[in-house]
Amino acid sequence: GAGVSQSPRYKVAKRGQDVALRCDPISGHVSLFWYQQALGQGPEFLTYFQNEAQLDKSGLPSDRFFAERPEGSVSTLKIQRTQQEDSAVYLCASSLGGFLEAFFGQGTRLTVV
Amino acid sequence: DAKTTQPNSMESNEEEPVHLPCNHSTISGTDYIHWYRQLPSQGPEYVIHGLTSNVNNRMASLAIAEDRKSSTLILHRATLRDAAVYYCILRDANNDMRFGAGTRLTVKP
Repeated sequence: GAGVSQSPRYKVAKRGQDVALRCDPISGHVSLFWYQQALGQGPEFLTYFQNEAQLDKSGLPSDRFFAERPEGSVSTLKIQRTQQEDSAVYLCASSLGGFLEAFFGQGTRLTVV
Repeated sequence: DAKTTQPNSMESNEEEPVHLPCNHSTISGTDYIHWYRQLPSQGPEYVIHGLTSNVNNRMASLAIAEDRKSSTLILHRATLRDAAVYYCILRDANNDMRFGAGTRLTVKP
């Protein structure tokens, strides 16, 4: 498939556990975005990369959240010491850059119990 | 501080046109207007975008006010598959892409 791929699709974590969510963007896409979407809400911006540079991380809710994109392609969103309020769908999107359209993955549904 | 304002919900009848409004009174000269939609249990999907002129594509049309402080997404003939949450977003020079609450469109058969 040529779309944005996210894994795992579903993740159940015990409170306090660390999790890592993966995003495989479309090949050649420069821009990569992460969002958090709670049930019934719109996607909330978390962070944005241009190639390997993290240009905006103002949406990360706490220092437990960390994102990286070391080689400018695959990105990982890591959440340390998960809390129940972290339960949400985490969406990744990629774009060629500029003002061009972004393509979204299906998301990872994280449930913290 | 939301950059865009949209009605929470709208209803349409199948086969009829739908006009989804969006206000963006604080838009700057270099902001592009993007529309995305999100079907249940899926990630958002790009619909259309524009800067100043009206735009058409196979999915929809985008009408942009002359002062650019508002825009309207037009679905020419709504189908049941168009039922979704529609988001109007401003993309700025920093390539920021932040969503608001969107408009939930219900299409009645």
